[in-house]
Amino acid sequence: EVQLVESGGGWVQPGGSLRLSCAASGFTFTSYGLNWVRQAPGKGLEWVSYISDSGSPIYYADSIKGRFTISRDNAKNSLYLQMNSLRVEDTAVYYCARRGAEFYYIDVWGKGTTVTVSS
Amino acid sequence: SYDLTQPPSVSVSPGQTASITCSGDNLGGYFANWYQQKPGLSPVLVIYQDKKRPSGIPERFSGSNSGNTATLTISGTQALDEADYYCQAWDSISTDWVFGGGTKLTVL
Repeated sequence: EVQLVESGGGWVQPGGSLRLSCAASGFTFTSYGLNWVRQAPGKGLEWVSYISDSGSPIYYADSIKGRFTISRDNAKNSLYLQMNSLRVEDTAVYYCARRGAEFYYIDVWGKGTTVTVSS
Repeated sequence: SYDLTQPPSVSVSPGQTASITCSGDNLGGYFANWYQQKPGLSPVLVIYQDKKRPSGIPERFSGSNSGNTATLTISGTQALDEADYYCQAWDSISTDWVFGGGTKLTVL
């Protein structure tokens, strides 16, 4: 079964840092690009970052550029998101999401991990 | 940046056809994808590359994309289709993955 399982969410004060992880299983990890997509409470989906199957290219949304870093460890079948200088508006459920094989769509989503930024 | 616009809400009677639109500048020149999200759950891909259906998605879901508008059509809408629907496209110029604001489909 294809699975993406996020972890690392939690509560952090503004200005703080968190590192999210996503463990993948059930597919050939090195063949797929991966995304982080977030959803603020009661709001819509917002794309955060993308990393290709090989680790390059990497793309970031303007809203997090310079603060967040996406990376992957193909030996561990894992995706990461290092989040620094967190703001209240970064509060959201963060989904790990697999890019489809044929083009830029998402065919598999994790269940998400919740990040709360509050003082 | 590239923007996609969806109506906030659409209502449909059971058994009727629901159409959800997604508008963007020359959207027909991009591939449009559609996701269904039910409360408390992760999104699910229902249409990709304008009109392709993933395995397991009922035939009543279909898509089209031309000009400035992509459309998700649900024929014979059922109560279980009630959900939020999001369109998405990839902007090759900015390299952004862009989502529409979402449409709440109510079946009543």
